[in-house]
Amino acid sequence: QKEVEQDPGPLSVPEGAIVSLNCTYSNSAFQYFMWYRQYSRKGPELLMYTYSSGNKEDGRFTAQVDKSSKYISLFIRDSQPSDSATYLCAIGGAGGTSYGKLTFGQGTILTVHP
Amino acid sequence: GAVVSQHPSWVICKSGTSVKIECRSLDFQATTMFWYRQFPKQSLMLMATSNEGSKATYEQGVEKDKFLINHASLTLSTLTVTSAHPEDSSFYICSAEAQRGRGGTDTQYFGPGTRLTVL
Repeated sequence: QKEVEQDPGPLSVPEGAIVSLNCTYSNSAFQYFMWYRQYSRKGPELLMYTYSSGNKEDGRFTAQVDKSSKYISLFIRDSQPSDSATYLCAIGGAGGTSYGKLTFGQGTILTVHP
Repeated sequence: GAVVSQHPSWVICKSGTSVKIECRSLDFQATTMFWYRQFPKQSLMLMATSNEGSKATYEQGVEKDKFLINHASLTLSTLTVTSAHPEDSSFYICSAEAQRGRGGTDTQYFGPGTRLTVL
């Protein structure tokens, strides 16, 4: 079983739709959770980070963490064509010497069409 | 803030040559930097953790003699792919760890990546 599972999609939605992206993880020791956006042939860009269960909102983006279920989500409201990218969940803080390491999901390819 | 640069952005080299990739944190100091590689349509795979002033820690399966990492200052880490072969062709991405501040979580900011093609 992979430490982090993410549906690779691809996911195609019309402009204005609400997008839901999800990851599950297996190690309850993980302490912080991030979402990155990666455009083709570019490095990942940090979108959201959180280290507690619950919701965190930033503009059109909402990150949700449920530590009891080991489940994290990213919601994008009013999606735009410019949101078309690969979205990667990343989880870290497993403790000890691995605290700073991030484990990435496979990435979900999102296309928002006009 | 929290900008990380990489140089070069792409490089083509002949098999058997060595290639050096630089990773710089432009507006913050990073005691820890990470090197990843990414194959097409796949996720990032951590290669090594680079700590300023000490030897890098390599992930299982990564040849430390082939991928030489130097972290000589708080703003610069380099990855040298020695005796490169076609199977080393990949997208190499670095990240630098920036502290979020009081009681915060350290966050990794990524460079734009370097595309290496070995002929």
